[in-house]
Amino acid sequence: AQSVSQHNHHVILSEAASLELGCNYSYGGTVNLFWYVQYPGQHLQLLLKYFSGDPLVKGIKGFEAEFIKSKFSFNLRKPSVQWSDTAEYFCAVKATGRRALTFGSGTRLQVQP
Amino acid sequence: DVKVTQSSRYLVKRTGEKVFLECVQDMDHENMFWYRQDPGLGLRLIYFSYDVKMKEKGDIPEGYSVSREKKERFSLILESASTNQTSMYLCASSSSRAQSTDTQYFGPGTRLTVL
Repeated sequence: AQSVSQHNHHVILSEAASLELGCNYSYGGTVNLFWYVQYPGQHLQLLLKYFSGDPLVKGIKGFEAEFIKSKFSFNLRKPSVQWSDTAEYFCAVKATGRRALTFGSGTRLQVQP
Repeated sequence: DVKVTQSSRYLVKRTGEKVFLECVQDMDHENMFWYRQDPGLGLRLIYFSYDVKMKEKGDIPEGYSVSREKKERFSLILESASTNQTSMYLCASSSSRAQSTDTQYFGPGTRLTVL
């Protein structure tokens, strides 16, 4: 069965700091990878996704993620965070041929002004 | 824009009650999902449906059942609510029509408290 690990459970940063959130998955086959974000009081929404091609994926609000197949990783990055990035971030994996996503446990990001 | 709506934002029920959570999507999506979200555990899949009247168990189906009589509507049923089912319940939908649009769209969630 596939699983997803998010190593950072709670991250506190100051505005303008750089961000990297780790995500590793365990599945030997082809996968689709996602990062979702949940702002306080809002729906879970898609931040970015990787299906194929360029392993460096750019998403909304200046976020990007890099798929490193050899490391089974899909880390999320942002060069300079803002207070409005305070949210919970979830990494998710979908194996090709399956319909359901497997989510990580989430990382709560708190950005201090 | 895809819209996924859930019947209630907050719900308080008593132990042993039968509870219905409703989800409706307006994008003609084939797939619909029910997750529960708990702190430190992320989202865990309860059930999903890939067509009308079709369903598959997810990772934590015990204590739950589902119903999909119409394509746009997917209901989660707690036959006899228990306190350990106090949680945030999220519904999602996605399309099967093109692999590249496999994104799941989420509803606002229902925070269920079982007393």
